Amino acid sequence: DIVMTQTPLSSPVTLGQPASISCRSSQSLVNSDGNTYLSWLQQRPGQPPRLLIYKISNRFSGVPDRFSGSGAGTDFTLKIGRVEAEDVGVYYCMQATQFPYTFGQGTKLEIK
Amino acid sequence: QVQLVESGGGVVQPGRSLRLSCAASGFTFSSYGIHWVRQAPGKGLEWVAVIWYDGSNKDYADSVKGRFTISRDNSNNTLYLQMNSLRAEDTAVYYCARVLRMDGFWSGSLDYWGQGTLVTVSS
Repeated sequence: DIVMTQTPLSSPVTLGQPASISCRSSQSLVNSDGNTYLSWLQQRPGQPPRLLIYKISNRFSGVPDRFSGSGAGTDFTLKIGRVEAEDVGVYYCMQATQFPYTFGQGTKLEIK
Repeated sequence: QVQLVESGGGVVQPGRSLRLSCAASGFTFSSYGIHWVRQAPGKGLEWVAVIWYDGSNKDYADSVKGRFTISRDNSNNTLYLQMNSLRAEDTAVYYCARVLRMDGFWSGSLDYWGQGTLVTVSS
């Protein structure tokens, strides 16, 4: 199975400041079709996960443009341009390049 | 709008069975693969199973293989998860989630998730 490792596990951020979360996979996420199926999900307290970013850097419908994704191969990053109060929650990276799909441990974003 | 509504959770004794349902609406259910993902209390996300849009293919996490069965009824827009021989470690909120398709093609993610249903395995 592909192991997904996120850092940091906790990220206290000041409102209006940027935030960054890293995700590393134990093997390349480049699929045989040439695509890299790395997604970022947000889970607000008491809510189900919500898709933010798919295929490394594509924002899903309705996701604010302060969220951006980057990376390649085994190293990926989610950046939040300016953190807002509604961004509090846990963020997960997820790989869908091969079964079983696997998730990072989650990074808890909180306001300082 | 796309909706996925899980039901069927509850408290069950170890070794017993439970069947979860996921009712879909707002999209052409028979055109989408659907996954089950679970989350133990206070823990992260764990992928459980997937079924192709037409039911032709299925796959399972090793932790549930041989005990859980995923199925679907495209005529009733409903997904199921039959869970047998339940263990304490199966205690979790179970979510169904739809496969992301962009321009008609599978795009390697899960775009819509239900609210989840809690399964508690305890004597």
